[in-house]
Amino acid sequence: DAMVIQNPRYQVTQFGKPVTLSCSQTLNHNVMYWYQQKSSQAPKLLFHYYDKDFNNEADTPDNFQSRRPNTSFCFLDIRSPGLGDAAMYLCATTSGSSYNEQFFGPGTRLTVL
Amino acid sequence: AQSVTQLGSHVSVSEGALVLLRCNYSSSVPPYLFWYVQYPNQGLQLLLKYTSAATLVKGINGFEAEFKKSETSFHLTKPSAHMSDAAEYFCAVSDSGGSYIPTFGRGTSLIVHP
Repeated sequence: DAMVIQNPRYQVTQFGKPVTLSCSQTLNHNVMYWYQQKSSQAPKLLFHYYDKDFNNEADTPDNFQSRRPNTSFCFLDIRSPGLGDAAMYLCATTSGSSYNEQFFGPGTRLTVL
Repeated sequence: AQSVTQLGSHVSVSEGALVLLRCNYSSSVPPYLFWYVQYPNQGLQLLLKYTSAATLVKGINGFEAEFKKSETSFHLTKPSAHMSDAAEYFCAVSDSGGSYIPTFGRGTSLIVHP
């Protein structure tokens, strides 16, 4: 089945230790998004790609970076995780038309010790 | 500019009772509207969407929603709640002007009592 895959599902890191989360998709969608979701809150958009064009949200901390080496893969790098970065990180894709829904991966739950 | 308001952060119903989750939107152009469901420790899954065809939209798991332009609403309903419907529900709006960045509501947690 076509889908959005996120690895790992659970990630534990130490305060200040860099971490990379990965996302892959078999839908061949143009657009990939990274969201941060904290408990009982809506997903918060960090950034998105339209093909290789990178778009950063204005309030995304510099501590968060992203790479999209090809259509299928996208990575979220957290350079120096703080306690406040503990959250669920969701990857999503869409075909780039506003009437099309987003397809979400299962998420990576990040714990910072 | 677009925005979404979900009234009620928590809705509690008994099993078998009607489910009604409210969503009001604001959009400067005709909107596209979506309802997503999120189960614990999972990503969001599309329940249904409105894209300017029929105003009454049927989705998965017995849910439906009606687009009412005059009320700027897109409320989600289900005639009879099941225990398995307990989850977080998010309403989202995209505008027909071409933006593919949807705006999400804050979410409503549906609690189903036996």
